[in-house]
Amino acid sequence: DTGVSQNPRHKITKRGQNVTFRCDPISEHNRLYWYRQTLGQGPEFLTYFQNEAQLEKSRLLSDRFSAERPKGSFSTLEIQRTEQGDSAMYLCASSLYSGTYYNEQFFGPGTRLTVL
Amino acid sequence: DQQVKQNSPSLSVQEGRISILNCDYTNSMFDYFLWYKKYPAEGPTFLISISSIKDKNEDGRFTVFLNKSAKHLSLHIVPSQPGDSAVYFCAASEPGAQKLVFGQGTRLTINP
Repeated sequence: DTGVSQNPRHKITKRGQNVTFRCDPISEHNRLYWYRQTLGQGPEFLTYFQNEAQLEKSRLLSDRFSAERPKGSFSTLEIQRTEQGDSAMYLCASSLYSGTYYNEQFFGPGTRLTVL
Repeated sequence: DQQVKQNSPSLSVQEGRISILNCDYTNSMFDYFLWYKKYPAEGPTFLISISSIKDKNEDGRFTVFLNKSAKHLSLHIVPSQPGDSAVYFCAASEPGAQKLVFGQGTRLTINP
């Protein structure tokens, strides 16, 4: 399977703990995005990378959130000192930017985070 | 501030008939629009897109219509099939922006 993969698929943690999620994009894709989806809502943009550079961050991404893509391949999203309001589905997507106007984003299955 | 709105949380259609899903937007800077389909426990899957220079785009059973003056787009599925039962999201982006702004989704159920 050459699609976007995310691990873990589910994470249950206690309030105040740190969690880290991993995303492996489609191998030739140079752009990688993180979104968050809460119940009854559509995905909300968090941040995106082109290769290893983080080019945009949403104001939704508080100081407790950090994302990295150290070698321009996989990415990690870390949440420090989790709060109950962080409970959501965290979606990763990737796309191939080749200078054209817009490129379709391919989504992974998501990591569902539950903060108790 | 919900810039992309899908006002129908659910829609039920008989197999073989046309399904019409609607989406409204408020940001006049949006110039590229997409529809995604989502099954439970899977990520959204891209269906079809349209840029603001067009008013219609077709791909097989799926057609997207864009009415810029009304800031409205719709997705037509004809004929509807049981496998089309899913949650459908419309999304939009501004020129040069990479982030997608999504609506809340509409759950489509196709009845046999």
